[in-house]
Amino acid sequence: GDSVTQMEGPVTLSEEAFLTINCTYTATGYPSLFWYVQYPGEGLQLLLKATKADDKGSNKGFEATYRKETTSFHLEKGSVQVSDSAVYFCALTPAGANSKLTFGKGITLSVRP
Amino acid sequence: EPEVTQTPSHQVTQMGQEVILRCVPISNHLYFYWYRQILGQKVEFLVSFYNNEISEKSEIFDDQFSVERPDGSNFTLKIRSTKLEDSAMYFCASREGANTEAFFGQGTRLTVV
Repeated sequence: GDSVTQMEGPVTLSEEAFLTINCTYTATGYPSLFWYVQYPGEGLQLLLKATKADDKGSNKGFEATYRKETTSFHLEKGSVQVSDSAVYFCALTPAGANSKLTFGKGITLSVRP
Repeated sequence: EPEVTQTPSHQVTQMGQEVILRCVPISNHLYFYWYRQILGQKVEFLVSFYNNEISEKSEIFDDQFSVERPDGSNFTLKIRSTKLEDSAMYFCASREGANTEAFFGQGTRLTVV
């Protein structure tokens, strides 16, 4: 079945550091790929998405590119802020009308001033 | 901004008791989901609901679980005879249509003692 693998965490960075969070997936066909973020005390929020190969999703300075050849969707940000401290989840959904999301384990990012 | 709301935010129950977790999806959404996250583990799909019936359920969603949309606005998850291993964060989500963004509630933390 479909699966999503995220790098082990937690990750602690200093403000303005470069961030990469790795995500790889296993799925049949051409799934849509997502990054969700959960800030402390809040629900899951969609951060960005990509629906086909070579698409780049971007939002709030974060980017991720859908790489079919490496089945990856790594999240990057050039300069993190303290306010980016949260849990980040990579997820996929197969094409279809009522598709469920398959999530990775999530990774906690802490950014120190 | 429309949002998915879940109540209660935290529920403590004794083993063997029944609990009902409540969700109010966004009003014009047609697809509804329940997910759960056991502490330190992945967010797992439980069930999807469309057109007043279950459209897909996971292996986790056995006879102990049921869902209902009793009045056109609420979407509930009932867990009968709770077990210690049911302790988790339960997330409700809704989508407007096929391949649209899923919006999540803030979650209900269920603790079974």
